[in-house]
Amino acid sequence: QKEVEQDPGPLSVPEGAIVSLNCTYSNSAFQYFMWYRQYSRKGPELLMYTYSSGNKEDGRFTAQVDKSSKYISLFIRDSQPSDSATYLCAMSDNNAGNMLTFGGGTRLMVKP
Amino acid sequence: DSGVTQTPKHLITATGQRVTLRCSPRSGDLSVYWYQQSLDQGLQFLIQYYNGEERAKGNILERFSAQQFPDLHSELNLSSLELGDSALYFCASSPRGKVGDYGYTFGSGTRLTVV
Repeated sequence: QKEVEQDPGPLSVPEGAIVSLNCTYSNSAFQYFMWYRQYSRKGPELLMYTYSSGNKEDGRFTAQVDKSSKYISLFIRDSQPSDSATYLCAMSDNNAGNMLTFGGGTRLMVKP
Repeated sequence: DSGVTQTPKHLITATGQRVTLRCSPRSGDLSVYWYQQSLDQGLQFLIQYYNGEERAKGNILERFSAQQFPDLHSELNLSSLELGDSALYFCASSPRGKVGDYGYTFGSGTRLTVV
């Protein structure tokens, strides 16, 4: 079993929909949680960064962390075709080197 | 442009050969990370350098090695290549190589195809 599980999708939604992307994890030492967006043939780019449990909002994006359930979510409001990409969750414990453990990614397609 | 530069973008080579991938970190970043991305394994951490010294090692094969030079650029050397080494190799950088760096910045990757 992988340390971080993520539904690979693809997830197809109409433009304007609310999108919910999720990851579950098994390592209770994870304290730092990130969401990256990866367009085809590009490197991942950081979208959201949260520490411990709680919510964080940035524009159309909201990240939620529930450490008790070992579950994190990314919500995208008013989704746009330009949001079509693969979304990767990533996590880190308080290791010395800032190594990240990634989920496998969810491919999202937003149809006009 | 993320500020992290990787060369070459594409590489096709034969089994048994040796290749070198190059990475220049974002200006001011002292730490470099190498990740391998394949369809079945996702993004896997290989190795991290901080200011020229190895800081952390992941599931990096013995056939693979890396180093970070005084000008902070890094090279990943892959030798005795096998078909299964075909993947996207990403370099990322962060300022201090610590969790407080708020994630890292990735380059666009090198796509390696071993035939």
